[in-house]
Amino acid sequence: DAGVIQSPRHEVTEMGQEVTLRCKPISGHDYLFWYRQTMMRGLELLIYFNNNVPIDDSGMPEDRFSAKMPNASFSTLKIQPSEPRDSAVYFCASGRMYNSPLHFGNGTRLTVT
Amino acid sequence: GEDVEQSLFLSVREGDSSVINCTYTDSSSTYLYWYKQEPGAGLQLLTYIFSNMDMKQDQRLTVLLNKKDKHLSLRIADTQTGDSAIYFCAESLKGSQGNLIFGKGTKLSVKP
Repeated sequence: DAGVIQSPRHEVTEMGQEVTLRCKPISGHDYLFWYRQTMMRGLELLIYFNNNVPIDDSGMPEDRFSAKMPNASFSTLKIQPSEPRDSAVYFCASGRMYNSPLHFGNGTRLTVT
Repeated sequence: GEDVEQSLFLSVREGDSSVINCTYTDSSSTYLYWYKQEPGAGLQLLTYIFSNMDMKQDQRLTVLLNKKDKHLSLRIADTQTGDSAIYFCAESLKGSQGNLIFGKGTKLSVKP
């Protein structure tokens, strides 16, 4: 089991550019979550999917953020256009079923200058 | 609304026991979790407890749950320098379909 795989590990981009973060969940996990971690706000849930369907996107900060899950093994989080305040570590996590523990990827550290 | 509170820092000496505390507000929590985050890494599940249990022990880790006071603690026996990390408490709410509410994390520093 390779665990949850995120790419890239680090992303540095200029304000206004489009950023795409990628996640491959653990095979067989039906739930996928995107979190954002900052020093000030801690871990914030952005959106989560069940069986590839978005269930709750109330944590997505603005229309500049969008997430997709085209199949059970791949999800993307896109920010367009990016802003310096989007700088954070973005984590993807997956879970096997309702109320099962979440398994986290190693995160993507995003820096927007 | 839901809220999970933790103290931000804890410092102990190697070999001592560490106790990390957490309080939560929602009485409908079904599971409560402890995660560990090392620098540059994601969150690693350490242990979890079902809300109808009072205690769970797993090697050096002991989890105590006081449901009446909505208080959860993690005790690490014989703390080692490798235990230095940020520890997150999280609750899973009934009907939340798997969404976890995390505390802001407690940074544990272990001094030799």
